[in-house]
Amino acid sequence: DAGVIQSPRHEVTEMGQEVTLRCKPISGHNSLFWYRQTMMRGLELLIYFNNNVPIDDSGMPEDRFSAKMPNASFSTLKIQPSEPRDSAVYFCASSRDGGYGYTFGSGTRLTVV
Amino acid sequence: AQSVTQLDSQVPVFEEAPVELRCNYSSSVSVYLFWYVQYPNQGLQLLLKYLSGSTLVKSINGFEAEFNKSQTSFHLRKPSVHISDTAEYFCAVSKHGSSNTGKLIFGQGTTLQVKP
Repeated sequence: DAGVIQSPRHEVTEMGQEVTLRCKPISGHNSLFWYRQTMMRGLELLIYFNNNVPIDDSGMPEDRFSAKMPNASFSTLKIQPSEPRDSAVYFCASSRDGGYGYTFGSGTRLTVV
Repeated sequence: AQSVTQLDSQVPVFEEAPVELRCNYSSSVSVYLFWYVQYPNQGLQLLLKYLSGSTLVKSINGFEAEFNKSQTSFHLRKPSVHISDTAEYFCAVSKHGSSNTGKLIFGQGTTLQVKP
């Protein structure tokens, strides 16, 4: 089992550019979660999907953020246009129904300059 | 709705000393409980979990946590810490049952700093 795979590991981009973060969940897991972690706010849930359907996107900070899950093995989080305050580590996690806990990816460290 | 409170934001301790990281939760339904650890510049890793059965659960690296339903607590303990235990620790809760989509509610985290 390769675990939850996120790409890229690091991303540096200029303000105003589009950024796309990618996630491959564990095979057989049917829930997928996107988190953002900063020193100021800690771990924030942005959005989560169950069976590829967005269930709760109330944590998405602004319309600049969007997430998709076109199939059970792939999800993207897009920021367009990016701003310096979006700089953070973005984590993807997956789980299976029943609340047995998540497996996290290694995260994408995003720096917007 | 569930919530989790980690009572200490930072816990400094000397190497080989015992440590307790406190976690309290609130919920109107039965819950599963988890501790995750995040080492510097890494993702969160599951440390241990309580789903059912024995209220004392243990990890492979010497940590243990006890589910106390009456006190709604799930404190994490280790009798003797190592420098390598320096990390941030997150307590989390999810609703019991198969209808749960798996969403976890996390506490704010406790930074364990082990000093030589």
